[in-house]
Amino acid sequence: AAGVIQSPRHLIKEKRETATLKCYPIPRHDTVYWYQQGPGQDPQFLISFYEKMQSDKGSIPDRFSAQQFSDYHSELNMSSLELGDSALYFCASSLIGGYTIYFGEGSWLTVV
Amino acid sequence: AQTVTQSQPEMSVQEAETVTLSCTYDTSENNYYLFWYKQPPSRQMILVIRQEAYKQQNATENRFSVNFQKAAKSFSLKISDSQLGDTAMYFCAFMKAGTALIFGKGTTLSVSS
Repeated sequence: AAGVIQSPRHLIKEKRETATLKCYPIPRHDTVYWYQQGPGQDPQFLISFYEKMQSDKGSIPDRFSAQQFSDYHSELNMSSLELGDSALYFCASSLIGGYTIYFGEGSWLTVV
Repeated sequence: AQTVTQSQPEMSVQEAETVTLSCTYDTSENNYYLFWYKQPPSRQMILVIRQEAYKQQNATENRFSVNFQKAAKSFSLKISDSQLGDTAMYFCAFMKAGTALIFGKGTTLSVSS
């Protein structure tokens, strides 16, 4: 079965640079979530989209933005990167009203 | 706001034994869902088991079962016949319908031979 696809899987950026992560949800899923997981921490919810509109917002820094496109894929844009942004970024998808969220394999961001 | 608490940072068990991971949560909602996710060293988030709050019957998935106590707001995971491949971080998670998952801090489970 198709899963959530994230790209790139690994990314190395320097401080103050910009990074973009992409997410392709499971076909027919209409809701996308972004999570950030720092070393040794639990995943923290950043933002979600339903039908291309922002549906919920968590602890997303102002330097970060995201959107969902007409084909339902989503992109997380991170600017003015800081060392503390180094983390594993998960995208997840679900059907609205559904009660199971499926995760991609994550994108590793290292800021040097 | 909802919170999820996992009071056991680390647990260890021998192969073939049974282990129970604890989770409590706090919410004023009546309609919600609870989950256990497994995160092995590969860091992939794998759904282990889920429970709808409106269902009284405890969920079971092969060697994994839960003890859901709604009044006590408790949701523990029992792993029977533990296997080396069960070694992972286990996260308890709460979700109100239509919203994002809220995770606990996790329990690191080590299974030894």
